[in-house]
Amino acid sequence: GQQVMQIPQYQHVQEGEDFTTYCNSSTTLSNIQWYKQRPGGHPVFLIQLVKSGEVKKQKRLTFQFGEAKKNSSLHITATQTTDVGTYFCAGSGAGSYQLTFGKGTKLSVIP
Amino acid sequence: DTAVSQTPKYLVTQMGNDKSIKCEQNLGHDTMYWYKQDSKKFLKIMFSYNNKELIINETVPNRFSPKSPDKAHLNLHINSLELGDSAVYFCASSQVGQGGTDTQYFGPGTRLTVL
Repeated sequence: GQQVMQIPQYQHVQEGEDFTTYCNSSTTLSNIQWYKQRPGGHPVFLIQLVKSGEVKKQKRLTFQFGEAKKNSSLHITATQTTDVGTYFCAGSGAGSYQLTFGKGTKLSVIP
Repeated sequence: DTAVSQTPKYLVTQMGNDKSIKCEQNLGHDTMYWYKQDSKKFLKIMFSYNNKELIINETVPNRFSPKSPDKAHLNLHINSLELGDSAVYFCASSQVGQGGTDTQYFGPGTRLTVL
């Protein structure tokens, strides 16, 4: 079955440093979604990427979808303490709407 | 108004008991899901229901049974609870439109502790 791998599992950064999490799929994806889960909270949708090579930005967050539609990344510029949480990627294969979640990257920001 | 709600928020129970978790969504979505998140924060899909029909069953033990009285509700019933069932259970819903997957809206979660 489809597998979505995400690295790193944990990342500790000083406030103001950049952060990147990477997602790789064993199969070609029809789309990829990113979610953020704050400590004690529930996953909240951030963005969806559909097109090969697509890049989207949300303020300090930049999302990329690979040309082969098998990998994606989330980059946060100049992290803030409000960025703390676990970031999940989730992808679905062609013809399927079942989402497979990566294991998440837990981001800690040291003030 | 809460889009996806779950009850209870916390559930502490003894091994061997039977318990249910309820989920309701007021978004008009046609697909609802149950996820299990373990202590390592891994999110694993358990079930999904589309228009009251089970369409995914990720080989969870048959002690777990989803029940959907209508498309706005998807309850999870667990028989003979085991220690390993301790986790946070999230309900989610989505509207699967043309073109495939749509955004999933998660409920606040139910933290189940089996003693």
